[in-house]
Amino acid sequence: DTEVTQTPKHLVMGMTNKKSLKCEQHMGHRAMYWYKQKAKKPPELMFVYSYEKLSINESVPSRFSPECPNSSLLNLHLHALQPEDSALYLCASSLLDGGMDTEAFFGQGTRLTVV
Amino acid sequence: LAKTTQPISMDSYEGQEVNITCSHNNIATNDYITWYQQFPSQGPRFIIQGYKTKVTNEVASLFIPADRKSSTLSLPRVSLSDTAVYYCLVAGNTDKLIFGTGTRLQVFP
Repeated sequence: DTEVTQTPKHLVMGMTNKKSLKCEQHMGHRAMYWYKQKAKKPPELMFVYSYEKLSINESVPSRFSPECPNSSLLNLHLHALQPEDSALYLCASSLLDGGMDTEAFFGQGTRLTVV
Repeated sequence: LAKTTQPISMDSYEGQEVNITCSHNNIATNDYITWYQQFPSQGPRFIIQGYKTKVTNEVASLFIPADRKSSTLSLPRVSLSDTAVYYCLVAGNTDKLIFGTGTRLQVFP
């Protein structure tokens, strides 16, 4: 199984809603990532979890709250988002956190629209 | 800040070989070079990774000169389905995976 599964595939939420994005992998990877991607732009790193601990937070606003309940799951909790937060949210995992042997596997993403 | 520079876009025709060069002048000793492919509304997909000289797999080749300040992704005999954005990443063992601007490859019939 070399898949990273993200749910939901699409999400529309109001600015006062609370929602969560989910990501799952069963490859035994110990690094997991959240990226945000706007149209025609490269993926932008948000968070990195290494061995279930948050190792990198790229100064992401607190309305985005990551959680890693176990080594296979990664959540992104969303609250009080703004329309400019509408984007494709990508989850990825890799064996190690970094360059060597870092074949990162990406999910198909969640297309988020904030209205 | 991304460590790489790539052409913004390239055009090719089916059946041609495409070479995409990435510049990484400040590459560190422990950095690896990795290329990803991304189709619209999909996550990036790993293509190939290397440290030095030449690496080849079933879909591409990666050429890295001795000074490692650049690398070239070579796609043999491209088809329409190779139309995508190609990203070159440079990262060491404890680095973040930071994407640069990428190269948008358009393949024409």
